[in-house]
Amino acid sequence: KNEVEQSPQNLTAQEGEFITINCSYSVGISALHWLQQHPGGGIVSLFMLSSGKKKHGRLIATINIQEKHSSLHITASHPRDSAVYICAVGDMDSNYQLIWGAGTKLIIKP
Amino acid sequence: KAGVTQTPRYLIKTRGQQVTLSCSPISGHRSVSWYQQTPGQGLQFLFEYFSETQRNKGNFPGRFSGRQFSNSRSEMNVSTLELGDSALYLCASSNGHAGGGDTQYFGPGTRLTVL
Repeated sequence: KNEVEQSPQNLTAQEGEFITINCSYSVGISALHWLQQHPGGGIVSLFMLSSGKKKHGRLIATINIQEKHSSLHITASHPRDSAVYICAVGDMDSNYQLIWGAGTKLIIKP
Repeated sequence: KAGVTQTPRYLIKTRGQQVTLSCSPISGHRSVSWYQQTPGQGLQFLFEYFSETQRNKGNFPGRFSGRQFSNSRSEMNVSTLELGDSALYLCASSNGHAGGGDTQYFGPGTRLTVL
């Protein structure tokens, strides 16, 4: 079993829909990161969470430490949101090494 | 500040050769991490350096090695290249420990093709 699981693996939606991507982990963590990888390969950090909720524009990230679960939400989705979204956690028991999820490929159709 | 730079951007090698990739982090950043990404695969962690010391290492064979210099620039080397080493190699820098909560900034990557 992977220590970081993302769901769904693939998601196709229509422009304007509310999007939710989930990340579950099994290790004790110091922090959780959400990143975005564009089709060209560039990776951008979206959020770092250790508790609660953060919002940036149309993106919202939440984390529930007790349930070992985080969600990334996109409101009013747009075709330019099409990308791979990746979750990564800092493992407290492995010298804070980042453990990466496999990513969720999101396609937003106009 | 300039972003993370990686050189070269593209590289073609043949099996059995060795290759050295370079990464210059954002000025002031002390941590550099390396990742391998093969087509359709997620990021695979190679190693992390902090202030010239290897802090973490992923599950890759000894053919993969790296180092960090006093100016925080980092190099990774792959010896005796195999076809399966063809991948996008990404470097990321952070001020402290990304696993501890610092944001990582990624370079554009070096695309290595092994023929």
